[in-house]
Amino acid sequence: SQQGEEDPQALSIQEGENATMNCSYKTSINNLQWYRQNSGRGLVHLILIRSNEREKHSGRLRVTLDTSKKSSSLLITASRAADTASYFCATVPLGGNQFYFGTGTSLTVIP
Amino acid sequence: DTGVSQNPRHKITKRGQNVTFRCDPISEHNRLYWYRQTLGQGPEFLTYFQNEAQLEKSRLLSDRFSAERPKGSFSTLEIQRTEQGDSAMYLCASSLLGGKGRAEAFFGQGTRLTVV
Repeated sequence: SQQGEEDPQALSIQEGENATMNCSYKTSINNLQWYRQNSGRGLVHLILIRSNEREKHSGRLRVTLDTSKKSSSLLITASRAADTASYFCATVPLGGNQFYFGTGTSLTVIP
Repeated sequence: DTGVSQNPRHKITKRGQNVTFRCDPISEHNRLYWYRQTLGQGPEFLTYFQNEAQLEKSRLLSDRFSAERPKGSFSTLEIQRTEQGDSAMYLCASSLLGGKGRAEAFFGQGTRLTVV
């Protein structure tokens, strides 16, 4: 079964706006990662945040992690049409080795 | 190209036939993963290798599925007696564990299997 769940399932915004998507997970984790997937393609790694970190930035991406609530958020600032894709969070459970993916958020950025 | 490579990109097969997919990971990566993804869902873990050892298999991996990673380099995933329910995208990923490795997984483009 999948570990995580993204919210919302789908998000549609205008170019230039910010997009926020959330991920909730079930068990204690080693780290949490966010991936992007364009339609019919493989996944592209975006950012990794460790369980002892609360916030990380990479370019227009900002990720937060709240281990007490077992949740993470991904913020994409100043969105572009090219950001249109599905976004997945993946967790590595504490003591585990595989990545468990959520169900994904489908983001559409309207030019 | 130094990324993860998967072949073939697409495979159409008749029900009951056997199929084999290949994954070439990033050369220095010691971990290799197989995932399956159906439309509208996130990838589901199938199995992973550390070097040539298959360390974990999901319950999703029925007896008809077998994966190998001889010599700890490329990997193959074979599905025997394919069923329509096997239709999915099969994704391979690799990562580097240990040292400065941060355990990000890098994915290939996937092999899309259609069983007719």
